[in-house]
Amino acid sequence: NAGVTQTPKFQVLKTGQSMTLQCAQDMNHEYMSWYRQDPGMGLRLIHYSVGAGITDQGEVPNGYNVSRSTTEDFPLRLLSAAPSQTSVYFCASTRNTEAFFGQGTRLTVV
Amino acid sequence: AQKITQTQPGMFVQEKEAVTLDCTYDTSDPSYGLFWYKQPSSGEMIFLIYQGSYDQQNATEGRYSLNFQKARKSANLVISASQLGDSAMYFCAMREGVGGGSNYKLTFGKGTLLTVNP
Repeated sequence: NAGVTQTPKFQVLKTGQSMTLQCAQDMNHEYMSWYRQDPGMGLRLIHYSVGAGITDQGEVPNGYNVSRSTTEDFPLRLLSAAPSQTSVYFCASTRNTEAFFGQGTRLTVV
Repeated sequence: AQKITQTQPGMFVQEKEAVTLDCTYDTSDPSYGLFWYKQPSSGEMIFLIYQGSYDQQNATEGRYSLNFQKARKSANLVISASQLGDSAMYFCAMREGVGGGSNYKLTFGKGTLLTVNP
């Protein structure tokens, strides 16, 4: 998918560990967001940002932090991982009729 | 109430035939946009097609077209001449409040798993 780079692709964490999922876009989109995908649930919005310095909560924000210091980058932080956060995570970059996703991060918390 | 409903958990189609994947939506906002995504087994989300609520014509993109019936609040994806590579999960999504100061949040359906048989 054009212009959204998300890392890492896979990650295994122990309960209580912290980590940051990285997301960067080069399309100069103001709006970026994080989703998680669980079996049978579709994608659910975690946090979003409408521009540098502005973030807000989505549908399932608990256990996650975000910041947006630049237009290009929107990292997602797990402060103390829990097994319930085992999921596939997607970063998205959106403007008007465009909404592109990163390649996804498969996170397992043991 | 669900905002996006995809009633077909799984669909089968023969190669080279056309298939329609259903999507109904619920919104009171007159301005909205509808997206379809393909998710192959490799996991990435691939953007297929977009339809705006004020668009006069149904969106088309290669073999993909969107059968947009506004009064029925449906936005079905039509794939013509199916190929083996079309086997994937397909998601319908909606963004409400398109336009200045709009809401860019996407609400997704639960998806339809399409299998193309040779």
